[in-house]
Amino acid sequence: EVLLVESGGGLIQPGGSLRLSCAASGFTVSSNYMTWVRQAPGKGLEWVSIIYSGDSVYYADSVKGRFTISRDNSKNTLYLQMNSLRPEDTAVYFCARTPPAELPYFDYWGQGTKVTVSS
Amino acid sequence: EIVMTQSPATLSVSPGERVTLSCRASQSVRSNLLAWYQQKPGQAPRLLIYGASTRATGIPARFSGSGSGTEFIFTISSLQSEDFAVYYCQQYNNWPLTFGGGTKVEIK
Repeated sequence: EVLLVESGGGLIQPGGSLRLSCAASGFTVSSNYMTWVRQAPGKGLEWVSIIYSGDSVYYADSVKGRFTISRDNSKNTLYLQMNSLRPEDTAVYFCARTPPAELPYFDYWGQGTKVTVSS
Repeated sequence: EIVMTQSPATLSVSPGERVTLSCRASQSVRSNLLAWYQQKPGQAPRLLIYGASTRATGIPARFSGSGSGTEFIFTISSLQSEDFAVYYCQQYNNWPLTFGGGTKVEIK
């Protein structure tokens, strides 16, 4: 069974850093596109970042230069390192995976971890 | 960036009715690289449709998708009580990946 479990969210002051984790089971993160999507309170879905074959990565312009996506294949875990956090980064962050050998739509999602950036 | 525009923003519907949602792209989405998701309050999104018209595993036949280029349609043939939710389209043709703003389907 495919399962994604995020952790690492919390309350952080503007300018601070946070690292989110997404522990995967039932498949290997190295074999799939893996992505982060966020949802600000009461708002829609916003794609944040993706990692795929050969550790190629893409970022939304809103987080480029501040966030870093990575994965640890030995732990089967996806990460999102978030630096220089801003109040507008406040959101629930979901990790999600793409089915093997497919282009990036997302068939399994985690339950989300909440990040609040506030002083 | 491909901007995805969904309409209407909110739809008030009675159970049993047919529902049609629109998703328009600011530029052509080649090879119909478009997905639809359902999201209920406090839950993660759920994949319903990919490739514009292919139902994901386990998705009931009352859900369907169609369209090409810049115009896509999502249909629920007969709305069930469990279908009241927000629906999002997402293009995966270009970077950055983009979602529409969502359509909330609420009880009339």
